[in-house]
Amino acid sequence: AQSVTQLDSHVSVSEGTPVLLRCNYSSSYSPSLFWYVQHPNKGLQLLLKYTSAATLVKGINGFEAEFKKSETSFHLTKPSAHMSDAAEYFCVVSDLNTGGFKTIFGAGTRLFVKA
Amino acid sequence: DGGITQSPKYLFRKEGQNVTLSCEQNLNHDAMYWYRQDPGQGLRLIYYSQIVNDFQKGDIAEGYSVSREKKESFPLTVTSAQKNPTAFYLCASSTSTSGDTEAFFGQGTRLTVV
Repeated sequence: AQSVTQLDSHVSVSEGTPVLLRCNYSSSYSPSLFWYVQHPNKGLQLLLKYTSAATLVKGINGFEAEFKKSETSFHLTKPSAHMSDAAEYFCVVSDLNTGGFKTIFGAGTRLFVKA
Repeated sequence: DGGITQSPKYLFRKEGQNVTLSCEQNLNHDAMYWYRQDPGQGLRLIYYSQIVNDFQKGDIAEGYSVSREKKESFPLTVTSAQKNPTAFYLCASSTSTSGDTEAFFGQGTRLTVV
């Protein structure tokens, strides 16, 4: 069975400092992994995705994530936070299950950016 | 512009009433989805459709119904049988239901039962 755990419900950083949002997953097969961002009262937007190609994935707005199979992690990072990065971030795992692919969303991490 | 449109943005419903949320896409996507989002929780799948005239229950389908008569449209009805309908509802679409395809989301409908 697959699952995804976002280790922090809230993360607070100062503008210009690095961002780290942690995500661990479990999967029986070879998962696809995604990070989405949601601004208040908006839909979700794809930041980046991993689908068994390069383990270091670069996304939009300077974000990147590294797939580490040995650690079952897919942490999201950004070298320097901007005020506009304040939002909620979702880690998503999609894997083959009996009956087809199943997609599981993490509970989300809310990122606060202080001036 | 291609995209996925949900309407209305805010919806108020009296207890005991059915209400229908609209979702339209012009991305020519085969697959469409409805999710429910509650505070502090990830998205939970209500229904999905892989193709016109076909749809499947997700993890929390009880109290909801859908139809897929056209490729572009996937309306969700929240029935009076749904015990706790107040939530933020998100519609999404993708080219297929294979696990490596990204989903495109609408802006959401916030439903409040009064």
